[in-house]
Parts: sequence; structure tokens; C-alpha cells
Amino acid sequence: DQQVKQNSPSLSVQEGRISILNCDYTNSMFDYFLWYKKYPAEGPTFLISISSIKDKNEDGRFTVFLNKSAKHLSLHIVPSQPGDSAVYFCAAYNNAGNMLTFGGGTRLMVKP
Amino acid sequence: GAVVSQHPSWVICKSGTSVKIECRSLDFQATTMFWYRQFPKQSLMLMATSNEGSKATYEQGVEKDKFLINHASLTLSTLTVTSAHPEDSSFYICSARDLLRSPYEQYFGPGTRLTVT
Repeated sequence: DQQVKQNSPSLSVQEGRISILNCDYTNSMFDYFLWYKKYPAEGPTFLISISSIKDKNEDGRFTVFLNKSAKHLSLHIVPSQPGDSAVYFCAAYNNAGNMLTFGGGTRLMVKP
Repeated sequence: GAVVSQHPSWVICKSGTSVKIECRSLDFQATTMFWYRQFPKQSLMLMATSNEGSKATYEQGVEKDKFLINHASLTLSTLTVTSAHPEDSSFYICSARDLLRSPYEQYFGPGTRLTVT
């Protein structure tokens, strides 16, 4: 049972345009969400997070939006750069469960 | 800050041998460390959670006698794959949490690629 889903395994975007990565979850107990970026053969690196009490968090080119009623979050990257090409994982934290649940990842390719 | 290292980064071993992977938090104390496994083109699967000084909590389906986890100090956790078999070949990633920084964020190591021949 996948509690966190990223339905798009890959996304291709032109440099300078906006990248939108989507994530859906099913567990209403999730109260904190994170986005990680991962290069091959490396560990994930933290990008941005959002608490369930907010609906938007912005950090430079990265903005995360949370729609609790739809159990959906998205990561916007604007403008996209070739160096953003990586696999992006969304993750949800259930404080009661004390564990981080990852989505399947979306491979983003930003073309110069 | 919040750097996590893993050693070795890549190990090749013969079937039947045991392999130890180290995970260290370099500039903070990690009360909790997590071990993940990633199969090719798949997501990270949590294997176990370890708290310093206590036994690790394993996720369902993970053999605790095969994947021995020790969290002897606030900066070091080890994962030992015992009697490794080719199906244990995978990318193993650890992460650490620093409750003083955030109860939510985990800082990941660079991963260890295990190849069992």
C-alpha cells in the first residue's frame, strides 16, 4: 500500500521554464512533508519542507504547495536550470509513527 | 552543518561473507539513525530505525538476524549484512536525525553500493 505516490516517473522541461512535480498521499495522519533531490549513487539532499498547518512555503527558486483537502502537494521550480536534473522524492512524516515515508520519485530532466 | 558520512561507498563481496557499513554524523549528535535500501529505479525503503543505546526497530519483512544494526554512540551506527547473497546487492543509505535542529528533518549519507557475487 503506497501511502505516498508520485505518479509521474519522469518529467522533461526546457531551461528557464517552470518545473512542477506532483505528489499525492493517502494517510491523513501525515503532518509534515519534505522534498528531497537525489543524484545517482548519492544520498538524498533536503530541498524544502512544509508543515500541514501551511499551504505554501517558498525558498528561492523552490516553492512547495500543500492542498490538504486533496491530499496533494507539489514542488515548483522556477526558473529551471540544467543542474536541477535529478530524481526528486517527496516524503511525508507521521510524527505519531516516527517514520518518513517516501514516494517513488520523479526524474526531472532540464534541457538547455 | 548536518553532514552524514558512510563507509565504504562501494563494496564487493563474495556470497556467504558478512559486510559492515558504517554511518557517522560528523557535526551533530544523532539520537536516531535510519537505514534505507534502494533498488534500481525504485524508491527508498526504510529497513530499520535505531536509537542510540537501544535495539533497532525493524520494518516488516526485514530480517533482523540478517541485517544487524548497532547504534553504539550518538555519532555512529553500523549495518552488518550477514551471510550476504546476490539478492542483497543494493544501494544502502543511512540518515540521521538531530532533534535539536528539527524533529522532522533527516540528513542522509551518500550511500553504500553493495555488490554480492
